[in-house]
Amino acid sequence: EAGVAQSPRYKIIEKRQSVAFWCNPISGHATLYWYQQILGQGPKLLIQFQNNGVVDDSQLPKDRFSAERLKGVDSTLKIQPAKLEDSAVYLCASSFDRNTGELFFGEGSRLTVL
Amino acid sequence: QKEVEQDPGPLSVPEGAIVSLNCTYSNSAFQYFMWYRQYSRKGPELLMYTYSSGNKEDGRFTAQVDKSSKYISLFIRDSQPSDSATYLCAMSLYSSASKIIFGSGTRLSIRP
Repeated sequence: EAGVAQSPRYKIIEKRQSVAFWCNPISGHATLYWYQQILGQGPKLLIQFQNNGVVDDSQLPKDRFSAERLKGVDSTLKIQPAKLEDSAVYLCASSFDRNTGELFFGEGSRLTVL
Repeated sequence: QKEVEQDPGPLSVPEGAIVSLNCTYSNSAFQYFMWYRQYSRKGPELLMYTYSSGNKEDGRFTAQVDKSSKYISLFIRDSQPSDSATYLCAMSLYSSASKIIFGSGTRLSIRP
């Protein structure tokens, strides 16, 4: 079974530039999550989708971050404009549904903002 | 005060030792308790999952939850160099998959 795929693995940008990350969840998983993991910290949930609808985006900085999950499969997370404090690993995860089971994480996209 | 507190380590022990990793939490309503293992430059993977209080054993790993003390533990017996990783405790009010709050992780190194 293929795992959660993410790209790019690494990205370096200047502050105020924009960046987009892509995630393809495990086939059949209805729930998709984007987490932010700053160095030395645990992952923090940014947004959760159930199929193509947003379930929770309470911790998403909406003035600069956006995410979509068209057709309920792939998802894209965008940051525009980036700030220095956005330097982190952006982890995508999926689960069969939001009430049971476990999270399966991708390897993450490491962002460095200079 | 953070909702979930975890000693960041690093913790270094010799191969074969018993390892004890711990977390404390402040929200008594948490019901789902998990331990994730994260290797360097990889995503976290679920190691153990417990609902409410009690113990759970899986091979060399034992997870304990003491809700009265708001304290959870992970024990690793006969530790191996391949156990070297960061261990993240995690918990949730609602389910094993939603609104999970992670600890900051303990970095563990097993010396051959």
